[in-house]
Amino acid sequence: AQSVTQLGSHVSVSEGALVLLRCNYSSSVPPYLFWYVQYPNQGLQLLLKYTTGATLVKGINGFEAEFKKSETSFHLTKPSAHMSDAAEYFCAVSATGANSKLTFGKGITLSVRP
Amino acid sequence: DTGVSQNPRHKITKRGQNVTFRCDPISEHNRLYWYRQTLGQGPEFLTYFQNEAQLEKSRLLSDRFSAERPKGSFSTLEIQRTEQGDSAMYLCASSLFGQDGETQYFGPGTRLLVL
Repeated sequence: AQSVTQLGSHVSVSEGALVLLRCNYSSSVPPYLFWYVQYPNQGLQLLLKYTTGATLVKGINGFEAEFKKSETSFHLTKPSAHMSDAAEYFCAVSATGANSKLTFGKGITLSVRP
Repeated sequence: DTGVSQNPRHKITKRGQNVTFRCDPISEHNRLYWYRQTLGQGPEFLTYFQNEAQLEKSRLLSDRFSAERPKGSFSTLEIQRTEQGDSAMYLCASSLFGQDGETQYFGPGTRLLVL
């Protein structure tokens, strides 16, 4: 069984400030890890993913995340927030192998203050 | 690459009515997934297909729900005798099995409101 914990439901930062969204996972098998972003009334857009290899992964719009197996974490960061980053962010895990259904966290709403 | 499309985008129905949603995946993708998202929550897995075979159904998928992918291309999700608790966003995603870390690409969703 797999699960994802995203602590806190809402994060607010000032424009230009560091963005840090936390994600911890539980998986009995080596996981694939994903961050998706959702804008109001839209579907989910892939920001970045970890499958194998380098543990620091870079995604779109300046976001990056680091897979830390020892901490079972996959936190999302961006050095400088932009107003357009305001959205809901979901961390998700899937199992490697045949069954690739995603298990999502509850999501974090990011607000960016001018 | 035209992306994943879903129709309709919005559906309002009365309790007890049947509704059907359609998903058209990315053309070369052989896996297709359905998820349900309620307000303030992350998407929850409902079911998935590999080609035309339905490989797994969640316990969330009551017997009022049925999904098909008859030719291994588009898929339909039908809800019979809708209840107010069925109100949610229904998301479809597709992926290419064995490729790209099984990355799933999502459609825009169908928002269902049951009155």
